[in-house]
Amino acid sequence: AQSVTQLGSHVSVSEGALVLLRCNYSSSVPPYLFWYVQYPNQGLQLLLKYTSAATLVKGINGFEAEFKKSETSFHLTKPSAHMSDAAEYFCAVRSDDKIIFGKGTRLHILP
Amino acid sequence: KAGVTQTPRYLIKTRGQQVTLSCSPISGHRSVSWYQQTPGQGLQFLFEYFSETQRNKGNFPGRFSGRQFSNSRSEMNVSTLELGDSALYLCASSYHRGTSGRASSYNEQFFGPGTRLTVL
Repeated sequence: AQSVTQLGSHVSVSEGALVLLRCNYSSSVPPYLFWYVQYPNQGLQLLLKYTSAATLVKGINGFEAEFKKSETSFHLTKPSAHMSDAAEYFCAVRSDDKIIFGKGTRLHILP
Repeated sequence: KAGVTQTPRYLIKTRGQQVTLSCSPISGHRSVSWYQQTPGQGLQFLFEYFSETQRNKGNFPGRFSGRQFSNSRSEMNVSTLELGDSALYLCASSYHRGTSGRASSYNEQFFGPGTRLTVL
């Protein structure tokens, strides 16, 4: 079964600074990878997904992620953090017709 | 187009009781998946329904069950509630393509706001 590991349960960045949330996957076949965001008291919203069409995937709200097979990574980045980016972010992989989520990374934005 | 709706949004029950949660998918979506979210275990897959049939099941005890109706609405039931069942239960819908019924890897799952269940 495939899985994802998110490094860091909490990440703090200053407003305007680079956001980098790390995700590594384990897969013996090309994976289908996702990043979701969850705001307080809400469900999950898809930020972006990798489906092997391009290694650099652009998503909503200025986020993007790069698929690196050599590093088995799919890290999420945003050049400049906004206060509204404070939320929990989940990396996920499709495995056997199910979506398997990482433990999540809570992003804190410092003023 | 209306999003995924879940009712109720909040629920308080006591140990030993049973509970039924409801999920209405986005119009036209035929697949409904359920997840349990807790601080300790994170997001865990419960089961998936498509065309009124359970297609996938996670590693949960038989106290957790579900069903899907002909209009794609889904319910999940938890019997003999335990304290550890306190969680946010999320429902997600997606549109299946293909006659095989297998989930397309390109399908996006749309999540509802969840039902927060507290077991006392």
